[in-house]
Amino acid sequence: NAGVTQTPKFRVLKTGQSMTLLCAQDMNHEYMYWYRQDPGMGLRLIHYSVGEGTTAKGEVPDGYNVSRLKKQNFLLGLESAAPSQTSVYFCASSLGHNTEAFFGQGTRLTVV
Amino acid sequence: GIQVEQSPPDLILQEGANSTLRCNFSDSVNNLQWFHQNPWGQLINLFYIPSGTKQNGRLSATTVATERYSLLYISSSQTTDSGVYFCAVGNSGYALNFGKGTSLLVTP
Repeated sequence: NAGVTQTPKFRVLKTGQSMTLLCAQDMNHEYMYWYRQDPGMGLRLIHYSVGEGTTAKGEVPDGYNVSRLKKQNFLLGLESAAPSQTSVYFCASSLGHNTEAFFGQGTRLTVV
Repeated sequence: GIQVEQSPPDLILQEGANSTLRCNFSDSVNNLQWFHQNPWGQLINLFYIPSGTKQNGRLSATTVATERYSLLYISSSQTTDSGVYFCAVGNSGYALNFGKGTSLLVTP
């Protein structure tokens, strides 16, 4: 049981490049989330999904897009990376609303 | 959103000491979790505790929802307990609202 797996673990992008972060969970959870963590801060919600085919904006959605085509996968896209998107990105999943959330190992993204 | 305040912000302990970390929140909650972020950046689930008391080995947690706070107790601390401890809460919204964490260093 792998839990929540993120790909890749590290990435360096040039300003203006695009990329997709992949999150996969094997717990049959309905809800999935993307957070970002910046130095000295807790995590902030970017986007979330309450089921296959659904997505919604979180607290800091600008510059990101997401898709949930399959229940077990949640993709986070950056269409035109900016230095302000340098951060550590965490994916999480939960069975339902306000149930225990489990996090992936994080992706460290640097935009130069 | 809900405001989450954690104290103390930093803590240095000698191995074997006990400590109490506090989390205050500004509104009623339906979800409260404690996490340990280890030096490699992984977020480890410690407790899911919107109310009541739980224990897991040397760690225990208590949430008094009516008074809007939660406490995490670490007994007989070990160097592997070092890292950042986060409290995160949720209510009607979908986000977990995180505090800024308590940074713990346990020295040999």
